Amino acid sequence: EDKVVQSPLSLVVHEGDTVTLNCSYEVTNFRSLLWYKQEKKAPTFLFMLTSSGIEKKSGRLSSILDKKELFSILNITATQTGDSAVYLCAVYSGNTPLVFGKGTRLSVIA
Amino acid sequence: DAMVIQNPRYQVTQFGKPVTLSCSQTLNHNVMYWYQQKSSQAPKLLFHYYDKDFNNEADTPDNFQSRRPNTSFCFLDIRSPGLGDAAMYLCATSRDRGQETQYFGPGTRLLVL
Repeated sequence: EDKVVQSPLSLVVHEGDTVTLNCSYEVTNFRSLLWYKQEKKAPTFLFMLTSSGIEKKSGRLSSILDKKELFSILNITATQTGDSAVYLCAVYSGNTPLVFGKGTRLSVIA
Repeated sequence: DAMVIQNPRYQVTQFGKPVTLSCSQTLNHNVMYWYQQKSSQAPKLLFHYYDKDFNNEADTPDNFQSRRPNTSFCFLDIRSPGLGDAAMYLCATSRDRGQETQYFGPGTRLLVL
């Protein structure tokens, strides 16, 4: 059975801190890994990663994939209170549309 | 703006009373998905449509049904809601099969009394 595990499940940091969120996976026929940000409503797409070692970057957020070790990290630098959200990792294997992890709840306090 | 729209945003129903949640999209995407998300849990895929082709997940209860009358609309019918069906229901779309980037609607939060 395909599985996606995120850690930590929750995290509290102060504004300005840098955080690293982890996502490990076990899937057959891996094709891509996606990160989403979910605030009080629906998930919004952040990144899609398909190749190892190539960093995707958007402002203060960046992500990288290691297909050998089967994990990805999402980094957020200089965190702001607006970064508070649940960050979801999902893996696409081509067998089922997406398999989601449980998410990491990030709280950024001023 | 192209988007995924869900109505209503909040729905209260009684135990056993049928309820329908709706989703529409202006993205002209071929694939539409319904997820159930309970508190502190990952979204759980219930089913998806590839065009008119319906794909049910093996562990989706029979109590949950779906209809897609045209490309733009997709409905989730819960025939006899139980207390355990209270959750956020997310609709998502993707351009085509094999297009893993999904665009989510704002969700409908269902409360069962």
